[in-house]
Amino acid sequence: DSGVTQTPKHLITATGQRVTLRCSPRSGDLSVYWYQQSLDQGLQFLIQYYNGEERAKGNILERFSAQQFPDLHSELNLSSLELGDSALYFCASSPWTGGSYEQYFGPGTRLTVT
Amino acid sequence: DAKTTQPPSMDCAEGRAANLPCNHSTISGNEYVYWYRQIHSQGPQYIIHGLKNNETNEMASLIITEDRKSSTLILPHATLRDTAVYYCIVRGWVGAGTASKLTFGTGTRLQVTL
Repeated sequence: DSGVTQTPKHLITATGQRVTLRCSPRSGDLSVYWYQQSLDQGLQFLIQYYNGEERAKGNILERFSAQQFPDLHSELNLSSLELGDSALYFCASSPWTGGSYEQYFGPGTRLTVT
Repeated sequence: DAKTTQPPSMDCAEGRAANLPCNHSTISGNEYVYWYRQIHSQGPQYIIHGLKNNETNEMASLIITEDRKSSTLILPHATLRDTAVYYCIVRGWVGAGTASKLTFGTGTRLQVTL
């Protein structure tokens, strides 16, 4: 158990819909990262937040957005869903951004778009 | 961040040492070598990381060559539960408040057999 929690574990929805994935980082960690893992793209970095502020963006679509709240939990919002958005979405956390700190990953949310 | 090269797959007998190689010939002086693994579709799990010196923890040992162009992750007594995809990632030390994503390649699929 990494200490990072993600809800829900599974999500099935239809094309065109909007969903919200939630992540609670390890106690004390200020930095949160979101990754997407699909069969054809592997694990890809989406976005990073540190203490409520966006720090880096990766291959995140404009239909996707994220935020980190004052209690440090984070949400990833996916809208106008397409079949190709079906994937595992992982959240990770680290104590802060920078240095050589490792990231600890949550169990993921499996999103299926039908 | 430097690119890494890993064999796509390896087999290991249970109880034997698993030696997973990684080539990172373009690594620069401030870049660390990280190892993560992913068991089936679970969240990636941090194993170990190092800069120059060999490192050991309760999970594994990391041997980095003197020129730092390659490294080997050693699982001393592999078990069936070590069957997973192992990712070697190179990432630089970054300053506070800056981006610190992980870039995953395709990794090595380790199969531990009886």
